[in-house]
Amino acid sequence: EDKVVQSPLSLVVHEGDTVTLNCSYEVTNFRSLLWYKQEKKAPTFLFMLTSSGIEKKSGRLSSILDKKELFSILNITATQTGDSAVYLCADETSGTYKYIFGTGTRLKVLA
Amino acid sequence: DAGITQSPRHKVTETGTPVTLRCHQTENHRYMYWYRQDPGHGLRLIHYSYGVKDTDKGEVSDGYSVSRSKTEDFLLTLESATSSQTSVYFCAISGGFTGNTIYFGEGSWLTVV
Repeated sequence: EDKVVQSPLSLVVHEGDTVTLNCSYEVTNFRSLLWYKQEKKAPTFLFMLTSSGIEKKSGRLSSILDKKELFSILNITATQTGDSAVYLCADETSGTYKYIFGTGTRLKVLA
Repeated sequence: DAGITQSPRHKVTETGTPVTLRCHQTENHRYMYWYRQDPGHGLRLIHYSYGVKDTDKGEVSDGYSVSRSKTEDFLLTLESATSSQTSVYFCAISGGFTGNTIYFGEGSWLTVV
């Protein structure tokens, strides 16, 4: 059965810190891995990764995928209170457009 | 904006009653999904659809049924609601201009008392 595991479950940091969130997956026929940010409502899309070793960046957020070791990381540098959210990763299983999510990492950034 | 509308957004219902949640999309996306989100479990796939009248089960499909008679509408039905189905339900879409990126509706909060 396909599986996505995120760590840590929760994290508290201070503004300006750098954080690394982890996502490991066990899937058959991997196609893509996606990261989302969820504040109070619906998850919003951050990144999609399909190729190993390629870094995707958007401002202070970046993500990289390691297809050999079956994991991805999401980095947030110079954190701000607005980064406080649950961060979710999802894997598309077997090229079916069926997405399995991890339980998320809850990040709290203190002023 | 992926053009997804969920209804109702909030509902309180009694145990044993049927409930239908509706997801409507305006951008002709091929794939539609229903997820539920509960503390400690993250987002879990209930059912998904890969075309009109084409649906498949997800991780937590027991107690739920779905129908898709038109491209734009995907209905989730709880035949006989139970308290364990109290949750937030998210509809999502992919395909079309989103490629294989999945986008979510705003959610439907369901409480079964």
